[in-house]
Amino acid sequence: ETGVTQTPRHLVMGMTNKKSLKCEQHLGHNAMYWYKQSAKKPLELMFVYSLEERVENNSVPSRFSPECPNSSHLFLHLHTLQPEDSALYLCASSQDRSGAIHEQYFGPGTRLTVT
Amino acid sequence: AQKVTQAQTEISVVEKEDVTLDCVYETRDTTYYLFWYKQPPSGELVFLIRRNSFDEQNEISGRYSWNFQKSTSSFNFTITASQVVDSAVYFCALKGSGGSNYKLTFGKGTLLTVNP
Repeated sequence: ETGVTQTPRHLVMGMTNKKSLKCEQHLGHNAMYWYKQSAKKPLELMFVYSLEERVENNSVPSRFSPECPNSSHLFLHLHTLQPEDSALYLCASSQDRSGAIHEQYFGPGTRLTVT
Repeated sequence: AQKVTQAQTEISVVEKEDVTLDCVYETRDTTYYLFWYKQPPSGELVFLIRRNSFDEQNEISGRYSWNFQKSTSSFNFTITASQVVDSAVYFCALKGSGGSNYKLTFGKGTLLTVNP
């Protein structure tokens, strides 16, 4: 595997379910990100991890819970979601947290539908 | 506050036409970075280019070219001799050098459709 991978690619879940999204980067990067992409809206940054430490939580509801066990893996744990949480969830990584001269590389995303 | 405006929501062209996607940005940082990403129907955002604020040289990569003009705060993207495979949503993004210097501010994107 190369680049940034995400599983599953598609997920349909009920409002009472618990599920997890997984992201893995094979680029040796130190920072990882979760974004939400809804129809007709700009990409929204949700969480940022640098060297496994959360450095940004962009006012995301607690029904989204991130986990970064090491610099290559990032999870997004989901529980009691709402229909408006249906979106494309994108994971990204960059060389380091500042990323000032290191662009972010994105995975293919997980298309989440909450019923 | 940072802001990126992509005024063109959708553009439709015929194959082999040239097309320019506009991007206007706002930032108070004196040092900043601009990016273009391509998002094909598969969903993955593909990095195309990064431009530093202190480097106003335009860049050409094959059929792609970028025109960075600080005087007008614009970073436009031109595809020459467009092809059907160029059909995608294109995002312009901005990163400052202040406190949240890891944060990318994205525009809303421009959907480009290239018809055969």
